[in-house]
Amino acid sequence: EPEVTQTPSHQVTQMGQEVILRCVPISNHLYFYWYRQILGQKVEFLVSFYNNEISEKSEIFDDQFSVERPDGSNFTLKIRSTKLEDSAMYFCASSRVIAYGYTFGSGTRLTVV
Amino acid sequence: SQELEQSPQSLIVQEGKNLTINCTSSKTLYGLYWYKQKYGEGLIFLMMLQKGGEEKSHEKITAKLDEKKQQSSLHITASQPSHAGIYLCGADPKGGNTGKLIFGQGTTLQVKP
Repeated sequence: EPEVTQTPSHQVTQMGQEVILRCVPISNHLYFYWYRQILGQKVEFLVSFYNNEISEKSEIFDDQFSVERPDGSNFTLKIRSTKLEDSAMYFCASSRVIAYGYTFGSGTRLTVV
Repeated sequence: SQELEQSPQSLIVQEGKNLTINCTSSKTLYGLYWYKQKYGEGLIFLMMLQKGGEEKSHEKITAKLDEKKQQSSLHITASQPSHAGIYLCGADPKGGNTGKLIFGQGTTLQVKP
């Protein structure tokens, strides 16, 4: 069964450093998403991406965050200057047609120290 | 803004017993997704319900959508240890076509052998 692949599975970074979280969506999917889950809290939507541009973003997705699809297969989330409160599990998801549901990756656990 | 409330928050059942998890929305539900998450891992898609009264089954898991009650239920028949995990309901607040899902807080299920 096709999978959404995320790397790395764990990342520890110092506060103020830039991090890039990587995702390889399912190959024939057209819509891409990032979500996050702070420990013990709900899964929260960050951003959706379609046709090489952001289609929707949440209040969380401020100027510190950016997304990119650099080469037609990878989908990345960059956090420019990490804060302690950015520590969370970050999930990438993709879908071919929105109405058919979303496939999530296994997540990247980001710890900011 | 729309909120999803799940009940119960946690559940411990004996193997072989049936159980039901509910997801209630504060606003009209246009569609409802059920996911399963193992602690610290990704979300596994279970089912998507789009129409009021719709009922879907996969193996021993059945989900129903009651639009009038703004509620969905997930029923597991003859539970097994493999059913253990965190069950999440998700919905699109804008009617199902944005990809921006909101999630409930999750129901943690333990199945005692």
